[in-house]
Amino acid sequence: DTGVSQDPRHKITKRGQNVTFRCDPISEHNRLYWYRQTLGQGPEFLTYFQNEAQLEKSRLLSDRFSAERPKGSFSTLEIQRTEQGDSAMYLCASTLRELEPYNEQFFGPGTRLTVL
Amino acid sequence: QKEVEQDPGPLSVPEGAIVSLNCTYSNSAFQYFMWYRQYSRKGPELLMYTYSSGNKEDGRFTAQVDKSSKYISLFIRDSQPSDSATYLCAMSLLTSTSGTYKYIFGTGTRLKVLA
Repeated sequence: DTGVSQDPRHKITKRGQNVTFRCDPISEHNRLYWYRQTLGQGPEFLTYFQNEAQLEKSRLLSDRFSAERPKGSFSTLEIQRTEQGDSAMYLCASTLRELEPYNEQFFGPGTRLTVL
Repeated sequence: QKEVEQDPGPLSVPEGAIVSLNCTYSNSAFQYFMWYRQYSRKGPELLMYTYSSGNKEDGRFTAQVDKSSKYISLFIRDSQPSDSATYLCAMSLLTSTSGTYKYIFGTGTRLKVLA
């Protein structure tokens, strides 16, 4: 499969628990983005990586959120001490920097998080 | 005021109708304008992108940008039930902090094409 994959597709957790999501981008893509999408809203930017470097973080990304891309390939997004307001779809997208800005951001299917 | 405004719908049309989807924006620094389609439980997929004011056509889809009015549109001709999805407009601008492009999405318009 040559698309962006995300794991898990669904996660149900209790308030206060930690969760971690994984994104595997398209192999030659050096840019990786994380977005959050709540019901009836468009994706909201959280953070992005150029290779392994995290270059920008949104104010939406509180201290409870951390993202890594250790080898410039897959990325993880961890949420500590989850809150009900964290319930959302977490989308990952990848792209090739050299083609920006009019290249395509390829989105994964998302991880739907439900915090009880 | 949101940077990008989009009517969430839902919009229901009969099969074969021409569909018009619109977004307005407030930031004149936006440079590129995109339309994404998102099916239920899937990630968005890019339909079209445009840069300058004017029209761009791709099959049954036409994207229109009016920078003077800060208004973009997507037209779908001969709409099909398979077009039923949420359509998101998105805009990008170059950020000074990291020298990369920042993407802002509209809320999406839910479209249903009835057979």
